[in-house]
Amino acid sequence: EPEVTQTPSHQVTQMGQEVILRCVPISNHLYFYWYRQILGQKVEFLVSFYNNEISEKSEIFDDQFSVERPDGSNFTLKIRSTKLEDSAMYFCASRDRMNTEAFFGQGTRLTVV
Amino acid sequence: AQKVTQAQTEISVVEKEDVTLDCVYETRDTTYYLFWYKQPPSGELVFLIRRNSFDEQNEISGRYSWNFQKSTSSFNFTITASQVVDSAVYFCALSPLEAGNMLTFGGGTRLMVKP
Repeated sequence: EPEVTQTPSHQVTQMGQEVILRCVPISNHLYFYWYRQILGQKVEFLVSFYNNEISEKSEIFDDQFSVERPDGSNFTLKIRSTKLEDSAMYFCASRDRMNTEAFFGQGTRLTVV
Repeated sequence: AQKVTQAQTEISVVEKEDVTLDCVYETRDTTYYLFWYKQPPSGELVFLIRRNSFDEQNEISGRYSWNFQKSTSSFNFTITASQVVDSAVYFCALSPLEAGNMLTFGGGTRLMVKP
């Protein structure tokens, strides 16, 4: 069964460092998303991406964040200068067309120290 | 603005009991989608169900059933004859029918099923 894959599963980084979280969405999907979940809290929307551009973003997605689809398979989230409060589980999701369910990856746990 | 409320933060039941997880939502959209996701201890998000706002027919899938009441803006989830493997955090979510279709999640309900 096709699945969304995320790497790495866990990343530890020092405050102020740049991190790139990687995702490979399901191959025929067109809509891509990043969500985050601070430990013990709810899942929050960060950004949606379609047709090689951001379609929506939340207030959390400030100038420190960027997304990219560098080739036909990867979808990345970059945090330019990490802060302690960026520590969270980051989920990538993809959807094949409008109005269907989003499939989530297994998540990348980011720990900023 | 959209909002999803799961008032039950934690529920504990004994195996084989039935349990209902509540979900209440707010939206100004007339058409939308509602979802339930399961997050087991391993951390991934597992899709369970999607429901259109214009389809109020209740759904049953094995031990799982969902009760959608548009009049009360609720989308409750019942597990019949719960099992230990049902122990997880369950999230209700709402999505608009427009570009982006991002999900707004509730705070989640942690279900603990004891043997």
